Amino acid sequence: SYVLTQPPSVSVAPGKTARITCGGNNIGSKNVHWYQQKPGQAPVMVVYENSDRPSGIPERFSGSNSGNTATLTISRVEAGDEADYYCQVWDTTSYHWVFGGGTKLTVL
Amino acid sequence: QVQLVESGGGVVQPGWSLRLSCAASGFTFTNYGMHWVRQAPGKGLEWVSVISDDGNKKYYADSVKGRFTISRDNSKNTLYLQMNSLRTADTAVYFCAKDVAIYCGGECPPDYWGQGTLVTVSS
Repeated sequence: SYVLTQPPSVSVAPGKTARITCGGNNIGSKNVHWYQQKPGQAPVMVVYENSDRPSGIPERFSGSNSGNTATLTISRVEAGDEADYYCQVWDTTSYHWVFGGGTKLTVL
Repeated sequence: QVQLVESGGGVVQPGWSLRLSCAASGFTFTNYGMHWVRQAPGKGLEWVSVISDDGNKKYYADSVKGRFTISRDNSKNTLYLQMNSLRTADTAVYFCAKDVAIYCGGECPPDYWGQGTLVTVSS
């Protein structure tokens, strides 16, 4: 089955740029979706189809996808961005949805 | 506004059954596929199952296939998850979520999620 690999943690200072990666075999050929989850809350979609933002998501959140790596970029990081972030793809071979293991973003 | 409210969670013993429900409102339920996603305590998200808008397509994670059944009642705007032969590894918060777009056949990601219902399987 398809596997998505994320770093367990990323740390960034306020006002700087955070980049969270999601690795997968030829992931560039798939659509990647990103979710933010804060403690005790339901996940929130922050990027759809690699780089689109759902309504209400700040422009500071952006995404890219090429080759074997997709990236969620958060610019001008704020304390409120501290959360777990998950990538997700649809595996057309197994007809399964797949999540990455999640990355904990810490704002220093 | 979209609202998804899960119910039916609780504490059960291994081997028992449980049925979860998800009441939907604020959107045209019949046009959207629906997902179940779970999260074990302190762990990441795990996709469980998805059903298409018309109920004709259903897909399951390998970990639950043959034990769990997803269904929907479009007349009641309600999604279900019948869970049989429960195992301790099924202990998790179960979220329901709607597809981001209409008529996706189960192949669109979820955008809006409910707050979840906790299922605890323990002897």
